[in-house]
Amino acid sequence: ETGVTQTPRHLVMGMTNKKSLKCEQHLGHNAMYWYKQSAKKPLELMFVYNFKEQTENNSVPSRFSPECPNSSHLFLHLHTLQPEDSALYLCASSQALAGGGNEQFFGPGTRLTVL
Amino acid sequence: DAKTTQPPSMDCAEGRAANLPCNHSTISGNEYVYWYRQIHSQGPQYIIHGLKNNETNEMASLIITEDRKSSTLILPHATLRDTAVYYCIVRVSYKLSFGAGTTVTVRA
Repeated sequence: ETGVTQTPRHLVMGMTNKKSLKCEQHLGHNAMYWYKQSAKKPLELMFVYNFKEQTENNSVPSRFSPECPNSSHLFLHLHTLQPEDSALYLCASSQALAGGGNEQFFGPGTRLTVL
Repeated sequence: DAKTTQPPSMDCAEGRAANLPCNHSTISGNEYVYWYRQIHSQGPQYIIHGLKNNETNEMASLIITEDRKSSTLILPHATLRDTAVYYCIVRVSYKLSFGAGTTVTVRA
């Protein structure tokens, strides 16, 4: 247990569906992240939030819409996805954003399959 | 952030120490060395990090050479549950750049 939880753990959706991924951290951290890990590829950073404010959007398509209502919760809203969006979606948090001494703690991920 | 080079794979006997090398010859003075691991289909797990000095925690030890151009992660007594992909990352910002890592297989 890392203190970062993600739900659901598995999700299968059609291309016309709308779904949301949820992440919650119980560590009192101020920064939260969404990563994507496709099969046989390295992790890709998608979005970064610091004190609820988005600080980075790594050229992510608009069919992925993040939301950070408070420092403990992070959502990723999904709509009209493509089969190539099937991947493991990982949430992470860290105490602070800047600085080399801030380790990120990851959740278990949501395995998404788009049919 | 500086790039790192790791061997693609290595085997280790259960109960023995596993020494995982990492080269980071272009590291700059304020960049930290981080190690994470990822067990199949799970989220990456933070292991340890260091700047200049050697570090030890309940999971592992990190040995950084004096010129900081390379480092070694040591798992003192490898168990079957240590089988994973291990990533060596050099960073100063919040951005973690995960490469291919080293696939470590611990054998009974």
